[in-house]
Amino acid sequence: SQQGEEDPQALSIQEGENATMNCSYKTSINNLQWYRQNSGRGLVHLILIRSNEREKHSGRLRVTLDTSKKSSSLLITASRAADTASYFCAGGAVTGGGNKLTFGTGTQLKVEL
Amino acid sequence: KAGVTQTPRYLIKTRGQQVTLSCSPISGHRSVSWYQQTPGQGLQFLFEYFSETQRNKGNFPGRFSGRQFSNSRSEMNVSTLELGDSALYLCASSLGQTNEQFFGPGTRLTVL
Repeated sequence: SQQGEEDPQALSIQEGENATMNCSYKTSINNLQWYRQNSGRGLVHLILIRSNEREKHSGRLRVTLDTSKKSSSLLITASRAADTASYFCAGGAVTGGGNKLTFGTGTQLKVEL
Repeated sequence: KAGVTQTPRYLIKTRGQQVTLSCSPISGHRSVSWYQQTPGQGLQFLFEYFSETQRNKGNFPGRFSGRQFSNSRSEMNVSTLELGDSALYLCASSLGQTNEQFFGPGTRLTVL
């Protein structure tokens, strides 16, 4: 089953604008990860934020995590056409001694020139 | 380091057949996980292997199975294929617990 919902399902912006995607999750997590997927290909890991962290930056990416609300957001600043892709959040949990990711429904981002 | 590789990239099978997919993790990674991606169900966890042992399993029928070899390479097998098994199957490797996972390009399986 899906971890939770991502909002919005689709987002269309102009190049240079910022894009914000939100993710809600349902169960306990050790970390929250964000991935990008281009046209049904493999997922590319973007950033990982641990459950004891509130904010993390990586280049043009900024991720926040609110464990009390079980939510996370991904901000992409100064977007580029190459950022056009689907973005997924995934809750990382250690269950049964193993590592497991539970994905959200994804946000389709389109950055137009 | 070379990334995660998956073979084959594309497969077409008919209902009732079985299929084996292969995944080679990043060198040094001992954890290999498998995911199924479909338009209707999204990305769903199948199972995870670590040091040749299945540590975790998702909610899939017993037709879906896997294994891991001593060199950390992994295979997953789907028997008695159904139309609904058509999907992109993704393999991911990681160093271990609570680490980011690195995904391969996937194997696109079409069941006719």
